[in-house]
Amino acid sequence: EAQVTQNPRYLITVTGKKLTVTCSQNMNHEYMSWYRQDPGLGLRQIYYSMNVEVTDKGDVPEGYKVSRKEKRNFPLILESPSPNQTSLYFCASSNSGVGGNTEAFFGQGTRLTVV
Amino acid sequence: AQSVAQPEDQVNVAEGNPLTVKCTYSVSGNPYLFWYVQYPNRGLQFLLKYITGDNLVKGSYGFEAEFNKSQTSFHLKKPSALVSDSALYFCAVSPTGGATNKLIFGTGTLLAVQP
Repeated sequence: EAQVTQNPRYLITVTGKKLTVTCSQNMNHEYMSWYRQDPGLGLRQIYYSMNVEVTDKGDVPEGYKVSRKEKRNFPLILESPSPNQTSLYFCASSNSGVGGNTEAFFGQGTRLTVV
Repeated sequence: AQSVAQPEDQVNVAEGNPLTVKCTYSVSGNPYLFWYVQYPNRGLQFLLKYITGDNLVKGSYGFEAEFNKSQTSFHLKKPSALVSDSALYFCAVSPTGGATNKLIFGTGTLLAVQP
């Protein structure tokens, strides 16, 4: 089954404690990205990757890091989480397509709470 | 700035009645347009997209959307609503000509279908 898998689904952590949210896709997609979803703001892109070893900032990259060492994996790293990073996070993947005309597949989400 | 507007936070409709969820966009050029649905505790699922051609596009679960270039709108419609259609709906655009598959999302509209 084609899918994007995120782990963990739920996470409560304390301010400053480094954490990683994993994301893996089994569709051989070139393009992967991370979004955060906040009430009243919709989804905003954090980082994206066009292919292995190619990553770039989205609209809200501050406080986050990513890496793309393998095509299937795109982990999101919070080096020093803060309460304003409490949010619902989604990983997505898609074929590169032509200027973005292909649909994205989303993971089930990770609800992160930073206290 | 590029943006997507979903003017209604919530739409209420009785089962069996037609439904419309509105979306307008402010993006230069000819963007690609998408609708996604999010059920509780799930990731976003692709419903339909407009790339080019016929202004009325049909998608999953009986949904369709009408593209209107002059009004820069892409409203989601369904002739007869089901209780199971109750969910959060997101409109998204992908600017054409860009180097990425970035999606710009609206803030979402909660559809509530009453039995």
